[in-house]
Amino acid sequence: EPEVTQTPSHQVTQMGQEVILRCVPISNHLYFYWYRQILGQKVEFLVSFYNNEISEKSEIFDDQFSVERPDGSNFTLKIRSTKLEDSAMYFCASSSRERGLRDEQYFGPGTRLTVT
Amino acid sequence: AQTVTQSQPEMSVQEAETVTLSCTYDTSENNYYLFWYKQPPSRQMILVIRQEAYKQQNATENRFSVNFQKAAKSFSLKISDSQLGDTAMYFCAYSNAGNNRKLIWGLGTSLAVNP
Repeated sequence: EPEVTQTPSHQVTQMGQEVILRCVPISNHLYFYWYRQILGQKVEFLVSFYNNEISEKSEIFDDQFSVERPDGSNFTLKIRSTKLEDSAMYFCASSSRERGLRDEQYFGPGTRLTVT
Repeated sequence: AQTVTQSQPEMSVQEAETVTLSCTYDTSENNYYLFWYKQPPSRQMILVIRQEAYKQQNATENRFSVNFQKAAKSFSLKISDSQLGDTAMYFCAYSNAGNNRKLIWGLGTSLAVNP
């Protein structure tokens, strides 16, 4: 069964450094999402992406964050200058709206980001 | 703004017994989707079951079923014949039915299935 993949599984970085989290959505999916989950807290929506542009972003998704779909397969989340409070699990998800296909979001295994 | 509330931070159940996890939500939309996701210790987010608000019939998936009460804005998950592998964090989530279907999440319920 097709699945969403994410790399790396765990990233440790120093405060102020840039990180790029990578996701490979399911191949025929058109809608892409990033969420984050700070340890012990609820899952929070960051951004949604469709047709090569952001369709919605949350208040968390400030100028330090950006997303990109550089080729036909990868979907990346970049944090330009990481802060301690960016430490969290970051989940990528994708979905299809194609008629006849299930349209729920399928999640990757997550990237644990630790900012020191 | 839509909100999702899970009022049970932790629950436990004996193996083979039945347990119900509660979820309430708030929205002014008439059409929307509701979901239960399971997050085991591996932290992978796994879809358990979904419900379309326009459907009156409660969704079922094997041992998992929901009690969807649209007027009360309640969406509980029933797990029958609980198994040790059901031990996980369970999240209730909501999305609008429009173009952007971002998920809005509850705080989760930690379920322990005891042998």
